[in-house]
Amino acid sequence: EDQVTQSPEALRLQEGESSSLNCSYTVSGLRGLFWYRQDPGKGPEFLFTLYSAGEEKEKERLKATLTKKESFLHITAPKPEDSATYLCAVLGGSQGNLIFGKGTKLSVKP
Amino acid sequence: GAGVSQSPRYKVAKRGQDVALRCDPISGHVSLFWYQQALGQGPEFLTYFQNEAQLDKSGLPSDRFFAERPEGSVSTLKIQRTQQEDSAVYLCASSADRVQTQYFGPGTRLLVL
Repeated sequence: EDQVTQSPEALRLQEGESSSLNCSYTVSGLRGLFWYRQDPGKGPEFLFTLYSAGEEKEKERLKATLTKKESFLHITAPKPEDSATYLCAVLGGSQGNLIFGKGTKLSVKP
Repeated sequence: GAGVSQSPRYKVAKRGQDVALRCDPISGHVSLFWYQQALGQGPEFLTYFQNEAQLDKSGLPSDRFFAERPEGSVSTLKIQRTQQEDSAVYLCASSADRVQTQYFGPGTRLLVL
């Protein structure tokens, strides 16, 4: 069964304190791993797609990496506006729909 | 261009009422998905359309849930005889192709009393 597990469930950082969010997955035939950001009361906002192990993508203070079993979302020198829930999702071989983790709620204090 | 839009944004229904939730996908997107998101959880798949064809409805929780996309553009998710456990955020997403990036709308927050 395709499954996505995110850790930690919640993360509190001071502004400027870098850290990483983890997404572990089991899926038959990975066709893509997706990171989304979700603010309260809003829909998920697309951040990155990763397709194969070793791939990395960056956007501002965020960097996503992918291995055969997990993905990391690295946040460098975060700012309070980076506070949100970060969702990881996989697209498997036999499914057309995304399988989501429960998310990591990030709070960045000034 | 315009993103995915959904209406209404909020809906309060009495138990037993029927509700209809609307999704306007990104223009030209062939694939359309509906997800249900409970508080503190990630979105869970409900159903998938390719143009007007409903190709996967394996995530619909009961036969009270029905979705349609008659002209291959706008989609409606209908819930009949709503129950309290139907309270959730209903998200719509569209993509250019089934395996391409899905873009989400703001969601409809449904509260069943």
